[in-house]
Amino acid sequence: SAVISQKPSRDICQRGTSLTIQCQVDSQVTMMFWYRQQPGQSLTLIATANQGSEATYESGFVIDKFPISRPNLTFSTLTVSNMSPEDSSIYLCSAKREGNTGELFFGEGSRLTVL
Amino acid sequence: AQSVTQPDIHITVSEGASLELRCNYSYGATPYLFWYVQSPGQGLQLLLKYFSGDTLVQGIKGFEAEFKRSQSSFNLRKPSVHWSDAAEYFCAVGSRRSGNTPLVFGKGTRLSVIA
Repeated sequence: SAVISQKPSRDICQRGTSLTIQCQVDSQVTMMFWYRQQPGQSLTLIATANQGSEATYESGFVIDKFPISRPNLTFSTLTVSNMSPEDSSIYLCSAKREGNTGELFFGEGSRLTVL
Repeated sequence: AQSVTQPDIHITVSEGASLELRCNYSYGATPYLFWYVQSPGQGLQLLLKYFSGDTLVQGIKGFEAEFKRSQSSFNLRKPSVHWSDAAEYFCAVGSRRSGNTPLVFGKGTRLSVIA
């Protein structure tokens, strides 16, 4: 299994500020995804992080609000821009290895609280 | 479109009792199926997965799940629950057509274990 490290693990942020979450995978993976988990809810896919090109966003998520980078196969960042209390969530980085088995590995998540 | 239904939001069982968590999916063909567990403040850990073959799959921590095509179900079971099993459990489906698509998650079932 791949080991995924995310940082920060948690943060408290002020309204209107932006925060960048970093995700590092210990080995090369084919796909990286960012999910959001709002309090008491399931996981909602934000976007697929594409290496060297723009991320592919799901309905309801836009690049201006959630810019994503993936400069190489093992690293990605998600920025939550102009935060409001509604952005208080756990943000989870996940990755998939080569092969069509479908399994996702997850980081520990980044718990953001926006005041 | 794929979807996953976990009918039970919250289940409470006594330690040592058996457990069954329900999962139903909607998909045009046989998908890949997964169960993940999330302990408080943690990321998601894969419990088990079904790709093909034997419809009864064994996972970690003494869990098993059975794929029933006729019922579009993939219920998770454990014969004797331990207090440390208290957590949130997510069922997920993935596409066989493309290995590059992310998983779709159910809303989760929160398991409480009482003495």
